[in-house]
Amino acid sequence: EPEVTQTPSHQVTQMGQEVILRCVPISNHLYFYWYRQILGQKVEFLVSFYNNEISEKSEIFDDQFSVERPDGSNFTLKIRSTKLEDSAMYFCASLSQDFGEQYFGPGTRLTVT
Amino acid sequence: RKEVEQDPGPFNVPEGATVAFNCTYSNSASQSFFWYRQDCRKEPKLLMSVYSSGNEDGRFTAQLNRASQYISLLIRDSKLSDSATYLCVVDSGAGSYQLTFGKGTKLSVIP
Repeated sequence: EPEVTQTPSHQVTQMGQEVILRCVPISNHLYFYWYRQILGQKVEFLVSFYNNEISEKSEIFDDQFSVERPDGSNFTLKIRSTKLEDSAMYFCASLSQDFGEQYFGPGTRLTVT
Repeated sequence: RKEVEQDPGPFNVPEGATVAFNCTYSNSASQSFFWYRQDCRKEPKLLMSVYSSGNEDGRFTAQLNRASQYISLLIRDSKLSDSATYLCVVDSGAGSYQLTFGKGTKLSVIP
């Protein structure tokens, strides 16, 4: 069964550092998403990406965040200057053009110290 | 603000029990509705989509009431492996496939 993969599984960083979270969506999918889940809280939408540009973003996705699809397979989320409150599980998801199920990756646990 | 509300539980039920989860959503423009399952510290996984006519998948039955903006999930003959958090999820409507999640209802099935 096709799957979304994410690396690393766990990232520990110091406050103020930049991090890049990587995702490889399912190969024939066209729509890509980042969500985050702070421990004990609900999953929250961050951003959606289609046709090499952001299609929607939430108020969480401020200027510290950026996304990129640098090649035909990877989809990255960059946080420029991490804050303690960025500590969360970050999930990548992808969706095919028939708009069926959004498939989620296993997540990257980001810990900012 | 677009919200999805769920009873947080936990629901502790014996094996074989029937359990029902409810959910309400505030965005009347939502078009797609789902139940996802999330195991501890894992990614959400789609359990089933929810249709206006109601739908069933084995021991799981989902219902949608658009007028009252209410979604339900019924699990019959609970198994130990059903223990998880069940997430009610809706899209943002107007052709957006951005998903809005409820906080989830935790289910523990006890031997």
